[in-house]
Amino acid sequence: DQQVKQNSPSLSVQEGRISILNCDYTNSMFDYFLWYKKYPAEGPTFLISISSIKDKNEDGRFTVFLNKSAKHLSLHIVPSQPGDSAVYFCAASDTNGGSQGNLIFGKGTKLSVKP
Amino acid sequence: DTEVTQTPKHLVMGMTNKKSLKCEQHMGHRAMYWYKQKAKKPPELMFVYSYEKLSINESVPSRFSPECPNSSLLNLHLHALQPEDSALYLCASSSKGAITSWNEKLFFGSGTQLSVL
Repeated sequence: DQQVKQNSPSLSVQEGRISILNCDYTNSMFDYFLWYKKYPAEGPTFLISISSIKDKNEDGRFTVFLNKSAKHLSLHIVPSQPGDSAVYFCAASDTNGGSQGNLIFGKGTKLSVKP
Repeated sequence: DTEVTQTPKHLVMGMTNKKSLKCEQHMGHRAMYWYKQKAKKPPELMFVYSYEKLSINESVPSRFSPECPNSSLLNLHLHALQPEDSALYLCASSSKGAITSWNEKLFFGSGTQLSVL
């Protein structure tokens, strides 16, 4: 049973426009969420995170929004650039010890930004 | 230094071979992880070492044998693998043994692409 779901396997966006990547979770004990970006044949790199006491966190072109009641988060990239083309993984954790404190990953969304 | 270094980057092995994957970090992190990732799938946790002790083994077959010689090094010994074990093997580290605070994150290496023939 997937606890973290990324229902869109892929997303194609024009350069300069907004990219919105979505993530849903089922475990209400999750209180910490992270986004990782992965290029082919490389390891995932940390992008941005948000804790459950916030509903928004911003870092440059990247903003993550959290809707706890809907158990939904989204990553916004504005403006999108061709170098943003990668697979984006959503991950969640229960910092109170559930899931043994480990990150639970979604299946990823492949973002393609076209020039 | 915020790097996790993995060697080799690529490995091809037969089903009767014995090989080892290596991982190193110098960030002073006390937890190190092995993940397996197949194409179009999320990283799948295999093992966690916390303060050099094996704290999690996610029911991984015994043909995979982890070793943590010290807090900076992590090995994964491979023996009698099957073709379905072909995957990207990722090492990661975090400052503590689990994600228990809102500042924690995993730092990943670039992985070893393993092919079992």
